[in-house]
Amino acid sequence: QKEVEQDPGPLSVPEGAIVSLNCTYSNSAFQYFMWYRQYSRKGPELLMYTYSSGNKEDGRFTAQVDKSSKYISLFIRDSQPSDSATYLCATLSGSARQLTFGSGTQLTVLP
Amino acid sequence: NAGVMQNPRHLVRRRGQEARLRCSPMKGHSHVYWYRQLPEEGLKFMVYLQKENIIDESGMPKERFSAEFPKEGPSILRIQQVVRGDSAAYFCASSPFKSRDRGNSPLHFGNGTRLTVT
Repeated sequence: QKEVEQDPGPLSVPEGAIVSLNCTYSNSAFQYFMWYRQYSRKGPELLMYTYSSGNKEDGRFTAQVDKSSKYISLFIRDSQPSDSATYLCATLSGSARQLTFGSGTQLTVLP
Repeated sequence: NAGVMQNPRHLVRRRGQEARLRCSPMKGHSHVYWYRQLPEEGLKFMVYLQKENIIDESGMPKERFSAEFPKEGPSILRIQQVVRGDSAAYFCASSPFKSRDRGNSPLHFGNGTRLTVT
């Protein structure tokens, strides 16, 4: 079983839609959760991070963690074509506290 | 303030050749992580280095791969005798903090080197 599972999509939505991206993880010891955005041919850039359970909001983006079900979500409100990218969930694990990534969900927002 | 710089951006090697990938961390960062991204897969951790030290190489293939981060100069990921399966995007990330002190501070990624083995 992978440590972090993510639906690869692809996901295609019309401009203005609410997007929901989800991941599950296997290790209940994980505490820090991140969402990265990766545009084509670019490196990942950090969008959001949360600690333990709860919600965190930043503009049009909301990150949510439910530790009881080991489920993490990213919501994008009023989606824009510029949001078209691959979204990667990640958590910190291991002695090096390296990031363990999901496989990424490819999102396309249609104008 | 330059970000993490990786070069070359694209590298083509024939099977059996050596590939050298370079990473210059952000200014003031002395901790470097290397990740590999295969097509249709997420990023996989390879190795964590501090200046002149390999701290964790648990994600590195046992053969043909090596990494270094000298006192002066960039971090180098070296792949000897490349095979087609090595074709991937290789990303470097840096941090100013030791891993145990990093908490939730983010890693800053470069734009990667895309290696193609023909």
